Amino acid sequence: AQKVTQAQTEISVVEKEDVTLDCVYETRDTTYYLFWYKQPPSGELVFLIRRNSFDEQNEISGRYSWNFQKSTSSFNFTITASQVVDSAVYFCALNAPGYALNFGKGTSLLVTP
Amino acid sequence: KAGVTQTPRYLIKTRGQQVTLSCSPISGHRSVSWYQQTPGQGLQFLFEYFSETQRNKGNFPGRFSGRQFSNSRSEMNVSTLELGDSALYLCASIPSITGYQETQYFGPGTRLLVL
Repeated sequence: AQKVTQAQTEISVVEKEDVTLDCVYETRDTTYYLFWYKQPPSGELVFLIRRNSFDEQNEISGRYSWNFQKSTSSFNFTITASQVVDSAVYFCALNAPGYALNFGKGTSLLVTP
Repeated sequence: KAGVTQTPRYLIKTRGQQVTLSCSPISGHRSVSWYQQTPGQGLQFLFEYFSETQRNKGNFPGRFSGRQFSNSRSEMNVSTLELGDSALYLCASIPSITGYQETQYFGPGTRLLVL
């Protein structure tokens, strides 16, 4: 069975604060891929990052960074110096052979000025 | 490259009617998947098509069906609509057949309201 848990339902921060969105996953597969998507109010899911199970290097892209730890089955996402435009729902997702893309319930992030 | 196109963007139907939603993937992408998003259930997988063949299907009743055409465009159909079918229906474009390794690129969705 596969499962993605995003325990934080809603997070509210003030602009310029750093914020970390947690993602914990469960899978019995040794080969799998993890994803993060952003869903602004318009509804479209915007792809942010893909990470395979064999690559535990952290990644930084501008103000965004991702921390992948297989030992704790976590793939956390940090936004540094948050901005109002970061307000959206963020989804973590897991895909493994033979399965469909499995999404967490999402974390709604509100960044206020 | 143009992104994923979904039509219509908004739709209002009444119970018992049927509806057809359309999705055009990114040019060159051969696989399409569909998802239903509701506040209660979140994002749930409906089905995936590659080369006009359904490769995978989620746990939805037979009222939900889909197909893919030779140009990779896909349609999904919901017959005998129920109030609970009100949702955002998202289509994703997938580059190739390798499936789980691929990034799925989503369209803007179709918001369906069933009255």
